[in-house]
Amino acid sequence: TQLLEQSPQFLSIQEGENLTVYCNSSSVFSSLQWYRQEPGEGPVLLVTVVTGGEVKKLKRLTFQFGDARKDSSLHITAAQPGDTGLYLCAGFTGNQFYFGTGTSLTVIP
Amino acid sequence: GAVVSQHPSWVICKSGTSVKIECRSLDFQATTMFWYRQFPKQSLMLMATSNEGSKATYEQGVEKDKFLINHASLTLSTLTVTSAHPEDSSFYICSASSGVPRGGSPLHFGNGTRLTVT
Repeated sequence: TQLLEQSPQFLSIQEGENLTVYCNSSSVFSSLQWYRQEPGEGPVLLVTVVTGGEVKKLKRLTFQFGDARKDSSLHITAAQPGDTGLYLCAGFTGNQFYFGTGTSLTVIP
Repeated sequence: GAVVSQHPSWVICKSGTSVKIECRSLDFQATTMFWYRQFPKQSLMLMATSNEGSKATYEQGVEKDKFLINHASLTLSTLTVTSAHPEDSSFYICSASSGVPRGGSPLHFGNGTRLTVT
């Protein structure tokens, strides 16, 4: 059962463009994490958000947790080729993490 | 800190044979380890949760007799794919938690194992 739906599933943009990835659910999560995964490697944690409405910034990446703690977004400003990868959101509830469907991002130089 | 080592990183085996994948926490004690399966450019599918010293909890649809999980120590969990078939070919990833998983705590992932069954 996939509790978290991410959109878009695939995204290919030019270097310098901005983009937003969405992570939506009908379930409430006590926290939500975003990971980035490169081919042939395990996911690496980018951020954890725990409070409804919380916004966190990590250089060119801005993460927001929805007020109702059911959704989240990741915004990347001025994307670079190094941002290429699979982005996964993961919501925590019931003592378990549930991963989103994933967004594969390709930034073209 | 919080390094998880997964071995082997890739393996090719013949149909009908068994393959063992190891997941080790190198600098912390992993009370709980998770095993995932992942197809190209898709998300992680949780297969099972293993707790040290107890039987693994398998997700619905995962055959426990085919995917044997052993978590014999606080630093090692193994996944054995028994009687492998080509449809078992996939990327398998483990992650570890140092205690009861909590929302604020990150999952530490291994680098995955690419299994190809011929």
